[in-house]
Amino acid sequence: QVQLVESGGGVVQPGGSLRLSCAASGFTFSTYAMHWVRQAPGKGLEWVASIQYDGSNKYYADSVKGRFTISRDTSKNTLHLQMNSLRAEDTALYYCAKDPVGCSGDTCFFFDFWGQGTLVTVSS
Amino acid sequence: SYGLTQSPSVSVAPGQTARITCGGNNIRSKSVHWYQQKPGQAPVLVVYDDSDRPSGIPERFSGSNSGNTATLTISRVEAGDEADYYCQVWDSSSVYVVFGGGTKLTVL
Repeated sequence: QVQLVESGGGVVQPGGSLRLSCAASGFTFSTYAMHWVRQAPGKGLEWVASIQYDGSNKYYADSVKGRFTISRDTSKNTLHLQMNSLRAEDTALYYCAKDPVGCSGDTCFFFDFWGQGTLVTVSS
Repeated sequence: SYGLTQSPSVSVAPGQTARITCGGNNIRSKSVHWYQQKPGQAPVLVVYDDSDRPSGIPERFSGSNSGNTATLTISRVEAGDEADYYCQVWDSSSVYVVFGGGTKLTVL
């Protein structure tokens, strides 16, 4: 069955960096677009970034553009999010999510399976 | 940028029908997806492409999209349906994934 397991969250000072990872299993990772979505404490869902199945195209929310970088390692079935210049407003639970079944080789920009999330806290 | 508007809360008695709306400019031109999120859990896709259901989602969940409003309808509401519900679209013109603010469904 599909599994997405996020890791790498923690407490970091403003201006610091963190690298999140998402280990994927149970599906052909190399053929699906992948995404990061975050949720600040007590708030709604906010899209962060997406990457095409082959890594050739990447898309970012305005709030993170220029600070965050999404990448994927097909050899390890792992998705990453490099977060630099972190701000207090980046504090959130970060979810990894996959593009839906039926969108293999394409990017459909909605999410049929989510991990359980990893918590990032930006605080001095 | 494109925006989606949801009412903050909806309340319904068990066995009744809940309707959760998602407003957006000419939203009928976009594919709308709906997620259910229970406390402490990751979101779950319940309706995609306006009205399709993923496998394992009960037929009680249905969706529609017309004009400036998309609607998630939950028939014969159960206590276990109590959750936050989010609508979502892909805005191809701005290359942006957009979520609505979420609606908290309370089962009385």
